[in-house]
Amino acid sequence: DTGVSQDPRHKITKRGQNVTFRCDPISEHNRLYWYRQTLGQGPEFLTYFQNEAQLEKSRLLSDRFSAERPKGSFSTLEIQRTEQGDSAMYLCASSQRHSPLHFGNGTRLTVT
Amino acid sequence: EDQVTQSPEALRLQEGESSSLNCSYTVSGLRGLFWYRQDPGKGPEFLFTLYSAGEEKEKERLKATLTKKESFLHITAPKPEDSATYLCAVQAIGAGSYQLTFGKGTKLSVIP
Repeated sequence: DTGVSQDPRHKITKRGQNVTFRCDPISEHNRLYWYRQTLGQGPEFLTYFQNEAQLEKSRLLSDRFSAERPKGSFSTLEIQRTEQGDSAMYLCASSQRHSPLHFGNGTRLTVT
Repeated sequence: EDQVTQSPEALRLQEGESSSLNCSYTVSGLRGLFWYRQDPGKGPEFLFTLYSAGEEKEKERLKATLTKKESFLHITAPKPEDSATYLCAVQAIGAGSYQLTFGKGTKLSVIP
């Protein structure tokens, strides 16, 4: 069990640019989640995958956000035309059914 | 809408000084209540899951309890390494039950 891996750990981008983050879940976990956390707040749910199917998206996830999980393995989260308000820690988590979520250490995005 | 309120926002304790953190919640039906620990720059680390009122879980110096309206995280004789932000989250029964709703956390500082 190597844990949930996220890449990159830090990303600095200019407003208007596109960014993509990657998440590698724990290998035997079929459920994958993306959360966003801003300073002083708890994580907020963004989206959920069961295997390769994206089953739920939060209304926080605007049209500029898209997530994929091809073949039910790793996942990517893309943000198009970034805005300063997108600056946050983006957390990925994985789980099996009836097991707690295990989080990665996140990707910290700074939009300048 | 599910809500989680944690108090206090911050807590400073002397090493060895026991205390409790509070998590009040509102949820239509509780599937589970979760406690996580988060160190600066890291993702949340799972501590406990509680499912029903009256349930208790222990791990080293930490003990979590649950009632129908709130949960407590008791810290006995804390050490400096217990310093972290402690997050509480609830999972509701029904549609969207894979989502966790988090509180803002309690930042604990244990002074040697």
